[in-house]
Amino acid sequence: ETGVTQSPTHLIKTRGQQVTLRCSSQSGHNTVSWYQQALGQGPQFIFQYYREEENGRGNFPPRFSGLQFPNYSSELNVNALELDDSALYLCASSLGGGTLNSPLHFGNGTRLTVT
Amino acid sequence: AQSVTQPDIHITVSEGASLELRCNYSYGATPYLFWYVQSPGQGLQLLLKYFSGDTLVQGIKGFEAEFKRSQSSFNLRKPSVHWSDAAEYFCAVGAKEYGNKLVFGAGTILRVKS
Repeated sequence: ETGVTQSPTHLIKTRGQQVTLRCSSQSGHNTVSWYQQALGQGPQFIFQYYREEENGRGNFPPRFSGLQFPNYSSELNVNALELDDSALYLCASSLGGGTLNSPLHFGNGTRLTVT
Repeated sequence: AQSVTQPDIHITVSEGASLELRCNYSYGATPYLFWYVQSPGQGLQLLLKYFSGDTLVQGIKGFEAEFKRSQSSFNLRKPSVHWSDAAEYFCAVGAKEYGNKLVFGAGTILRVKS
């Protein structure tokens, strides 16, 4: 069974740039959720994708966008990067468009630093 | 709105001692409650969850948690801590009315001294 894999593991960008983070879901999982974890804080929900559609969104501005592909992998795109976007970005996969009844399986995250 | 409070930022216990990590949530409906553990450089791993039924929930790695509705608490316990338990622990709450997001607490860092 292949777990959740995220790439890249680390990334440094300059304010104003754009970034794309990638996630491959665990084998058999059709739902992907993205979370932002700032230093010293708990993860915050960005959005979830199920069947290639956005299936819930947290309090993040539109410059945070995503995609899910037919193989259930996903991308998180962030435009016009700000210093506060520096964080660990976690991807989690699950089944059936849910979170509550299907446990989230997290990847190890992408550490984004914006300078 | 959902919120989760983990009052202790850091806790240090001796190896072999018992452990209790506190979690309080604020929520009006029936919550789904979770405990996750995060080791350095790793993602989060689910330890246990509660939705209904027996209020004492058993999880992996010898952890358990007790749901107390009257106190809005879901504290995590372990009878005897091992050095490998040193990590950061997150309590999280979800609910059907709030869709597919989990709201996480700020975490408690557990240090284990030998």
